Amino acid sequence: RKEVEQDPGPFNVPEGATVAFNCTYSNSASQSFFWYRQDCRKEPKLLMSVYSSGNEDGRFTAQLNRASQYISLLIRDSKLSDSATYLCVVNRDFNKFYFGSGTKLNVKP
Amino acid sequence: NAGVTQTPKFQVLKTGQSMTLQCAQDMNHNSMYWYRQDPGMGLRLIYYSASEGTTDKGEVPNGYNVSRLNKREFSLRLESAAPSQTSVYFCASSEAGQGYYGYTFGSGTRLTVV
Repeated sequence: RKEVEQDPGPFNVPEGATVAFNCTYSNSASQSFFWYRQDCRKEPKLLMSVYSSGNEDGRFTAQLNRASQYISLLIRDSKLSDSATYLCVVNRDFNKFYFGSGTKLNVKP
Repeated sequence: NAGVTQTPKFQVLKTGQSMTLQCAQDMNHNSMYWYRQDPGMGLRLIYYSASEGTTDKGEVPNGYNVSRLNKREFSLRLESAAPSQTSVYFCASSEAGQGYYGYTFGSGTRLTVV
């Protein structure tokens, strides 16, 4: 079983829509959680860390559910520039980070 | 601009050839990493260096070696390239060693082994 699983999508949404992605992780000892964004043929870039109480950064909201072992990312008022692949990342041991294979988002005009 | 610099950006190798991927960061980060990214697999850790002078295996180290030359530089060597090593390779660095502040990735090396 993969450490981190994501729906590959693609999620095709119109501009202005709200879209949510989930990610599940297999090891309950996972400690830190992140969302990264990766544009086509580019390197991943940190979007936001995910805290136990949930956190928000502008139009982006991240939630963690330890009991069910999943994290989520909510994007409100989608922009064309939000089109990218979103990677879920979990950390269990020192220097061991596990990446999901990503969820592709296409925001259409 | 500050960040992580990888060279080369593209490379084609024949099976059995060797090469070294170079990585340098100018953010004074202690920890550096090498990942490979394959379609449908996500990024997988090859090797990492928690600090200058130390290196450790990651999830998929077979067929690779690394050298942490100094605090800035971390190279990845393929001694005898195989088609299974065709991938996109990313170098990354982090400040706190646990990536809490997030990784900074280089722009990647697209390697094809024929």
